[in-house]
Amino acid sequence: AQSVAQPEDQVNVAEGNPLTVKCTYSVSGNPYLFWYVQYPNRGLQFLLKYITGDNLVKGSYGFEAEFNKSQTSFHLKKPSALVSDSALYFCAVSEYMDTGRRALTFGSGTRLQVQP
Amino acid sequence: DGGITQSPKYLFRKEGQNVTLSCEQNLNHDAMYWYRQDPGQGLRLIYYSQIVNDFQKGDIAEGYSVSREKKESFPLTVTSAQKNPTAFYLCASSGRSGDPTDTQYFGPGTRLTVL
Repeated sequence: AQSVAQPEDQVNVAEGNPLTVKCTYSVSGNPYLFWYVQYPNRGLQFLLKYITGDNLVKGSYGFEAEFNKSQTSFHLKKPSALVSDSALYFCAVSEYMDTGRRALTFGSGTRLQVQP
Repeated sequence: DGGITQSPKYLFRKEGQNVTLSCEQNLNHDAMYWYRQDPGQGLRLIYYSQIVNDFQKGDIAEGYSVSREKKESFPLTVTSAQKNPTAFYLCASSGRSGDPTDTQYFGPGTRLTVL
């Protein structure tokens, strides 16, 4: 069964500093990895995804993520944090399943707090 | 939130009542999904539908029911059999049925509270 772990409940960073939100995954086959962001009482917004190819994926709002197969990780990064980046971030994974089920499994979320 | 609408934004239910949450999309997507979000637990899949008139149970389907009579609509009914329905409910859709590389897009959510 596929699974995702986000080991940090909260990440604190000062505005202007680089940020990293960690994600590790477990799948049987090839992983397809996604990052979403959620602002209070709102739905999830898609940031970026890794399907295949270049291990560094660039997404919306200056975010990027690095896929590392040997470490089964897909950490979200941004070179310079903004106060407006403060939100809840979710990592998710999917894969082909013999049953035909199309499932997206989410991590528990990491709250990013950017201090002015 | 794109072309996915959910209504109502807030919903209050009394014990023993069934309530229906609406989800509509104008993205011409084939697949639609319902997730439940509880604090500290991420999102859990309730039901999904890859095509009209077909739907499948997710990980936590007990106490919920759905229908998919139209491509653009995927309503969720929370029945009285759901013992702990207070949560934030999110609807999503994706263009290509059965393709795990396809991005899911989410609606704004409905917050259900049991009184």
